[in-house]
Amino acid sequence: NAGVTQTPKFRILKIGQSMTLQCTQDMNHNYMYWYRQDPGMGLKLIYYSVGAGITDKGEVPNGYNVSRSTTEDFPLRLELAAPSQTSVYFCASSSPFDSEAFFGQGTRLTVV
Amino acid sequence: GIQVEQSPPDLILQEGANSTLRCNFSDSVNNLQWFHQNPWGQLINLFYIPSGTKQNGRLSATTVATERYSLLYISSSQTTDSGVYFCAVDSWGKFQFGAGTQVVVTP
Repeated sequence: NAGVTQTPKFRILKIGQSMTLQCTQDMNHNYMYWYRQDPGMGLKLIYYSVGAGITDKGEVPNGYNVSRSTTEDFPLRLELAAPSQTSVYFCASSSPFDSEAFFGQGTRLTVV
Repeated sequence: GIQVEQSPPDLILQEGANSTLRCNFSDSVNNLQWFHQNPWGQLINLFYIPSGTKQNGRLSATTVATERYSLLYISSSQTTDSGVYFCAVDSWGKFQFGAGTQVVVTP
């Protein structure tokens, strides 16, 4: 049972580069989320989606884009990487019926 | 948006001690979860507890939704309980976290 899978686990980017963080879940969950966690801090919501084709901004969306073309996948795109985006990124999913959320292992991103 | 406040921010325990962590939230929520983030950064589901009381080994949790708070109890703490404990609430599809309680259990 894979649950929520994030790739890659680690990545170093140069300032101005772009990348996509991948997230896929196999639990047929409608809701999916992207969070960032800065060192010593809590998790902040970047974007979320309540179903395929529907996305909305969270607390800290600037510098990121998302899409949700299928129920399973919710990629997060960084277009012009900045040092302020150095963080650990977590993807999660949940069902609207019982709302228990499950998290991926995280992606540690460093922008230099 | 909904506010989620956790207390205390930090807790140092001697092995074997008991403790209570609190989570207050500012509005009605559909659901509430407690997580443990271990020293390697992994988020572990502890409880899914929109209301009532649940127990899992040495850990238990109680949510009083009408009074907008939840409590996490750690009994007979062990060094492996160290880490950050987060409360998170679901408010109409936006799953929001508190700032966490950093717990250190000393031998």
